[in-house]
Amino acid sequence: NAGVTQTPKFQVLKTGQSMTLQCAQDMNHNSMYWYRQDPGMGLRLIYYSASEGTTDKGEVPNGYNVSRLNKREFSLRLESAAPSQTSVYFCASSEPASGFENEQFFGPGTRLTVL
Amino acid sequence: DQQVKQNSPSLSVQEGRISILNCDYTNSMFDYFLWYKKYPAEGPTFLISISSIKDKNEDGRFTVFLNKSAKHLSLHIVPSQPGDSAVYFCAALTRHAGNMLTFGGGTRLMVKP
Repeated sequence: NAGVTQTPKFQVLKTGQSMTLQCAQDMNHNSMYWYRQDPGMGLRLIYYSASEGTTDKGEVPNGYNVSRLNKREFSLRLESAAPSQTSVYFCASSEPASGFENEQFFGPGTRLTVL
Repeated sequence: DQQVKQNSPSLSVQEGRISILNCDYTNSMFDYFLWYKKYPAEGPTFLISISSIKDKNEDGRFTVFLNKSAKHLSLHIVPSQPGDSAVYFCAALTRHAGNMLTFGGGTRLMVKP
């Protein structure tokens, strides 16, 4: 049981390049989330998916797109990377019907640097 | 403007003593609060939570206190152990508005042997 996995672990991009961050969970959770962590800012929600087939914007969605490919997978795409998107990105999942709906399980993160 | 604030970026405590991490919030609609612990190069892991209808929740060495009138919560770790050294994030949510967490900026706890 791997929990939440993210690929890649590290990535360096040049300004204007595009890339997709991958996330998968094997806990059969309905809800999935993408956060970014910046120094002193905590984690900020970029996008979330309450259930398969739905996605919604979070606090900082500009410059990003997401795809909920199926129940297991939720990807985050940067179409034209900017230095302001240099950050650590975390994917998380939760199961609202479990009785522990407020606990989110996080992946290990992707450290992205945009030059 | 940050709705959840952790005003102490770092805290250093001797092993065996009590660690107290503080968190303040401004949104009175928050009705559930969580603490997450994060080690370097890992994702945050859930530690303990408290509903707004309670003022205290305890789990082993960890206790969370909530003061709704002051919009303040704190995490107490007793006794502190070197393995507790990590970054601690306070988070809050409004349950009827979905499961979206608002995080504080984190406090780095260092427990010295």
